[in-house]
Amino acid sequence: AQKITQTQPGMFVQEKEAVTLDCTYDTSDQSYGLFWYKQPSSGEMIFLIYQGSYDEQNATEGRYSLNFQKARKSANLVISASQLGDSAMYFCAMREGGGGSQGNLIFGKGTKLSVKP
Amino acid sequence: ETGVTQTPRHLVMGMTNKKSLKCEQHLGHNAMYWYKQSAKKPLELMFVYSLEERVENNSVPSRFSPECPNSSHLFLHLHTLQPEDSALYLCASSQEASRAYEQYFGPGTRLTVT
Repeated sequence: AQKITQTQPGMFVQEKEAVTLDCTYDTSDQSYGLFWYKQPSSGEMIFLIYQGSYDEQNATEGRYSLNFQKARKSANLVISASQLGDSAMYFCAMREGGGGSQGNLIFGKGTKLSVKP
Repeated sequence: ETGVTQTPRHLVMGMTNKKSLKCEQHLGHNAMYWYKQSAKKPLELMFVYSLEERVENNSVPSRFSPECPNSSHLFLHLHTLQPEDSALYLCASSQEASRAYEQYFGPGTRLTVT
């Protein structure tokens, strides 16, 4: 079974509007971390936002926020006020295990976001 | 330079060649990683080094040989590769190899095996 599921292969959004990219995860660990990365066409993976499983508040970083619903095992990324430069692949990832764990970072298949002018 | 750098950015090699990919991080991190990104597949972790010791090898074929001479440098030595090894190879580093630390990625090496 997939550990990270991103059900939207591609998304379109109008410039200046908000968009939500879906991510669900599967783990039996109590302690885990969730990450979102952006990969523009240049190839570099850019870290966007992190949510720990014990964090009570949803993570926010500028225009990025993570809608963390633990019971549903979902960690959707919300991008507000989309910009043309937001067009890229977006990957959700999870790392299982406790604080000292060297667990793998497991990635989803990604969602390609295209921002229309 | 800052962040994570990788060289070369593009590499074309024959199946009988030997080449090496280089990664360097300028972030003072203790952990480094090699990932493989093939078309239409999730990113696959290949190797993890923590404090210059290999702590993870995800069943990677022996034609890929990593080397971590110090905490700032990571190499991936390639020999007798197959066409299916063509992919984007990404290097990353993190403060520690643990759950809470985000990984910072380099720009990748686009490898084509002919």
